[in-house]
Amino acid sequence: EDKVVQSPLSLVVHEGDTVTLNCSYEVTNFRSLLWYKQEKKAPTFLFMLTSSGIEKKSGRLSSILDKKELSSILNITATQTGDSAIYLCALVEISGGYNKLIFGAGTRLAVHP
Amino acid sequence: DADVTQTPRNRITKTGKRIMLECSQTKGHDRMYWYRQDPGLGLRLIYYSFDVKDINKGEISDGYSVSRQAQAKFSLSLESAIPNQTALYFCATSDTDRNTGELFFGEGSRLTVL
Repeated sequence: EDKVVQSPLSLVVHEGDTVTLNCSYEVTNFRSLLWYKQEKKAPTFLFMLTSSGIEKKSGRLSSILDKKELSSILNITATQTGDSAIYLCALVEISGGYNKLIFGAGTRLAVHP
Repeated sequence: DADVTQTPRNRITKTGKRIMLECSQTKGHDRMYWYRQDPGLGLRLIYYSFDVKDINKGEISDGYSVSRQAQAKFSLSLESAIPNQTALYFCATSDTDRNTGELFFGEGSRLTVL
């Protein structure tokens, strides 16, 4: 059965710390892996990782896809209170011509001053 | 204005009542989705639609129905609400042309069934 597992489920750090969030997956027809940030309501897109684009970076955030280990990490350096959110990992699987998304449960990050 | 708009944003109702959640989008996307989010379970797909004439069940469609009234409108109905349908519901769209799998979410509708 296809699945996505994120760890840790929750994390509390102080401003300035560096955090690493993990996403491991089992999927039959991998297309891509997406990271979203959910602050209060709507998830917002962060990164898409594919076989041809296994590393992405935007400011203090970066993400790497390890297709051999079937996993991805999301790194946040020099964390700020505004980074407090739920971070969602989603696998995009090709299923009957449709991009099927399988979401992990998310990692809840709290950054304290 | 938000590209994907959901109404209502919050609703409290009683067991057995019929509830409709509405979604409209201005992104011009063909594909629309309804998800529910529960703590510790992530986002789970209820229904999805590739165009007005194409409706498909997701992984947790029991107890729900949908209507795609137009390309821009996709509504979710709970015919007889029950307490375990208390959740945060999201409408989302995606761009067929880009076909990346990226979803664009509405702000969510928080439903509480007493």
